[in-house]
Amino acid sequence: EVQLLESGGGLVQPGGSLRLSCSASGFIFSDYAMNWVRQAPGKGLEWVSVITDSGGTTHYADSVKGRFTISRDNSKNTLFLQMNSLRAEDTAVYYCAKPPADRLFVGDSWGQGTLVTVSS
Amino acid sequence: QSVLTQPPSVSAAPGQKVTISCSGSSSNTGANYVSWYQQLPGTAPKLLIYDNNKRPSGIPDRFSGSKSGTAATLGITGLQTGDEADYYCGSWDSSLSAGVFGGGTKLTVL
Repeated sequence: EVQLLESGGGLVQPGGSLRLSCSASGFIFSDYAMNWVRQAPGKGLEWVSVITDSGGTTHYADSVKGRFTISRDNSKNTLFLQMNSLRAEDTAVYYCAKPPADRLFVGDSWGQGTLVTVSS
Repeated sequence: QSVLTQPPSVSAAPGQKVTISCSGSSSNTGANYVSWYQQLPGTAPKLLIYDNNKRPSGIPDRFSGSKSGTAATLGITGLQTGDEADYYCGSWDSSLSAGVFGGGTKLTVL
């Protein structure tokens, strides 16, 4: 059974940094691209970033480009999202998602999400 | 303002059929696969349809997907009260090199 478990969320001040992790199990992690998707309170889904299976290619939403960095450690079956220069509008539940085989976008399996709150 | 356009809400009676539309452009829905997600209150999204019309294992055939040009449609037959949820379409945008979602459609089963 595929399991994705996010961690690292919390309260952070504007301008601060946070690093999210997504621990994966139940599938061959290194065979799949991985995505981050977020959802602000009461709002819809917003795609954030994707990384290919090898980690060689990444893409970002314009809203986070230059501030967020996606990475992965295939030896530890873990996906990361480094978030810098955080803004109030980054407040959201952040989900990691595993796409179907040979796909880049977005998720046939999702984690439970981790809440990031950016506030002073 | 979402890149993909969905109606904010739809409603139908139990047992009836409903369709949810998703409109995009030549760089996203017109060029790439469309997927559909169901999100029940307080839970993570769940994949219903991928590659325009494929159902993951465990998704009942009451759920169907189709695409024509830049427009995609999710169909749900035999509506149940448990189908009340938010539904999102998504696709890859080749011009943006980014994933895009619709704004979501709230389904009410009257």
